[in-house]
Amino acid sequence: DQQVKQNSPSLSVQEGRISILNCDYTNSMFDYFLWYKKYPAEGPTFLISISSIKDKNEDGRFTVFLNKSAKHLSLHIVPSQPGDSAVYFCAASPGAGSYQLTFGKGTKLSVIP
Amino acid sequence: DGGITQSPKYLFRKEGQNVTLSCEQNLNHDAMYWYRQDPGQGLRLIYYSQIVNDFQKGDIAEGYSVSREKKESFPLTVTSAQKNPTAFYLCASRPRRSSYEQYFGPGTRLTVT
Repeated sequence: DQQVKQNSPSLSVQEGRISILNCDYTNSMFDYFLWYKKYPAEGPTFLISISSIKDKNEDGRFTVFLNKSAKHLSLHIVPSQPGDSAVYFCAASPGAGSYQLTFGKGTKLSVIP
Repeated sequence: DGGITQSPKYLFRKEGQNVTLSCEQNLNHDAMYWYRQDPGQGLRLIYYSQIVNDFQKGDIAEGYSVSREKKESFPLTVTSAQKNPTAFYLCASRPRRSSYEQYFGPGTRLTVT
C-alpha cells in the first residue's frame, strides 16, 4: 500500500521552462514533506521541505506547494536547467515526534537543452 | 570535511555469504538510517537508530542486522537469509531531534550472484 505516490515516472522539459513534479499522499497523519534530488549511483540530496501549516515554501528556483485538502504537493522548478536532470523523490513524515520518512518511487526529470 | 561515507562503492558477493556494509559520519548526528533502493522503486527503510546502542526495525528488516556501538558508525550486515540482496544501499543521518531532513551518503551497490 503506497502512502506516497509519484504517478509520473518521467518528465521532459525544455531548458528555461517550468518543471512541475507532483506527489500525492494517502496518510492524513503526514505533517511534513520533503523533496530530494538524486543522480544515478549517488545518494539523494535534500532540496526543499514544507510543513503542513504552510501552503508554499520557496528557495531560489525551487518552490513547493502543499494542498492539504487534496493531499497533494508539487515541486516547481523555474527556470529549468540541464543540471536539474535527475530523479526527484517526494517524502513525507507524520511529525509529532516521528522523524521517519516515507518515500515515493520518484520522477525522472530530463531537461532538454 | 564533514559528511557521510559508505564503503565500498561496489561490492560483489556469492550467494550464501554474509556481507557488512560500512557507514560512517563525522557530522555529530544522533540518528542514522539504512535504506534500500531497487530499480523504479523509492527508498525503503531497513533499520534506524536514534541513539548509540539502540536501533529499530524499519519496513523491510528481514534478512538484515545492524549495530550502533559508536555514534559515528552504523554498519549493516546483509545475511544469507535476505532473499533478494542485490540492491543499492543508502545510509543517512539526521542532525537533531527537531529536524526532519536526512542527509545521505553516496551509497553502496551490492551484487550477489
